Order: sequence, then structure tokens, then C-alpha cells
Amino acid sequence: ELKVEQNPLFLSMQEGKNYTIYCNYSTTSDRLYWYRQDPGKSLESLFVLLSNGAVKQEGRLMASLDTKARLSTLHITAAVHDLSATYFCAVDTFNSGTYKYIFGTGTRLKVLA
Amino acid sequence: GAVVSQHPSRVICKSGTSVKIECRSLDFQATTMFWYRQFPKQSLMLMATSNEGSKATYEQGVEKDKFLINHASLTLSTLTVTSAHPEDSSFYICSAREVMLDPTNNEQFFGPGTRLTVL
Repeated sequence: ELKVEQNPLFLSMQEGKNYTIYCNYSTTSDRLYWYRQDPGKSLESLFVLLSNGAVKQEGRLMASLDTKARLSTLHITAAVHDLSATYFCAVDTFNSGTYKYIFGTGTRLKVLA
Repeated sequence: GAVVSQHPSRVICKSGTSVKIECRSLDFQATTMFWYRQFPKQSLMLMATSNEGSKATYEQGVEKDKFLINHASLTLSTLTVTSAHPEDSSFYICSAREVMLDPTNNEQFFGPGTRLTVL
């Protein structure tokens, strides 16, 4: 059974600080996605990582993918309050004849002013 | 592009009744649609995968007779929660995957979700 684990589950950080969220998965895949979810809302796509070594950056967020280590990271630089949300990684897997996303456990981020 | 809609966005129903949720891909054709469920402060759990014109495939532990899925066309899938009970109260999110020649290179697009409350 595919497992997708995120670390940490909860993160409280001060504005201006840097931190990294980790996403580990247990099966072979070279496609991984990062999403943001605000309370009561659906998912907002952040990054699409489609190959080993892929690195994407948008504003204060940067995501990378190491398919050999089955690890993706989401790095936050100089956090601001607006980044407070829950972040999910999702791994694209092939199972029962279909490609489908399996989500990580989620990381709830709170940025303190 | 790649917009997925859901209807309704919120529904409140009495215990024992059935509720239907619609998921539409508005500007693309979806070979496959997915239904996820999310309980408060938890992750999204895949419930089932549906392909147009065929029976849905349910994940382990999901009752197929309780959660009826119909994928009648390449742009519409419905989830019917039959005989709903308070423990079915949750946030239901659908997702659609576009028809492409290379199925390994598609992205899933997510709907805005439906908040179901069963009294």
C-alpha cells in the first residue's frame, strides 16, 4: 500500500524565518504535486514536479523532487502571515489500471506575526 | 482552462435521506474522475475512481452500495450518498483527469468541494 508522509504535521513559525516541509512516499513515481488549502476551501495548485531533480520556485516557496530518494521538499523563505494554511503533497501513482493521486498527511502551517 | 465545478457547494440533509453531488469538467473532457473525502483537520482520502461508461472502482473500506457513483459522460460524474447518517458529514472533493494520448502526463484538476452536513 502506498504511503505518503509529510513532516512535520504542524508547524508554527515566526515571520521572516525559513523552514522546510518534507514529503516522503513509499512507491516509485516521478510526478508529484504540491497544494495549498485554506480553511473551508478546496485545493490550490502550487507546484507540478514531473521529473527527478525538478525544482520550481514561486515567490517565497520552492519545491524540489528527488525520485530516487522518494522525497520532495517545500521550502519556505522569509515566511509571512499570508502563508498560513495547510500544505499537501500528492503523488501520482498507477494502481488498478488507473493513474491517481494519493495525498500526504498534510502540514498545517501557522506563521506568527 | 481546466476548470472543475461541483454542485451543490453546501448541503444539509436529514439522517436517512439521499444526497446527490455533481462534478463537471467545464472546459475539457475527463476520461477519469475521482471522488475524495476529507474530514476536519485530516487529509484527502480517495474514495473511488470512475471512468466514463464503466463501473467505478472503490478504495478499500468504501461501501459501494452507500456511495453510488455514475460517470455518464466525459464531463459529468455524480456521487450519491444513500441513506446518509451524521458520520457521513464531510467535505467531498471531486477531481478530473483530461483525456490525453499519454495518460502518464496528465494532471488532476480539483473541484471547489461540497460540504455535506447530515443532521
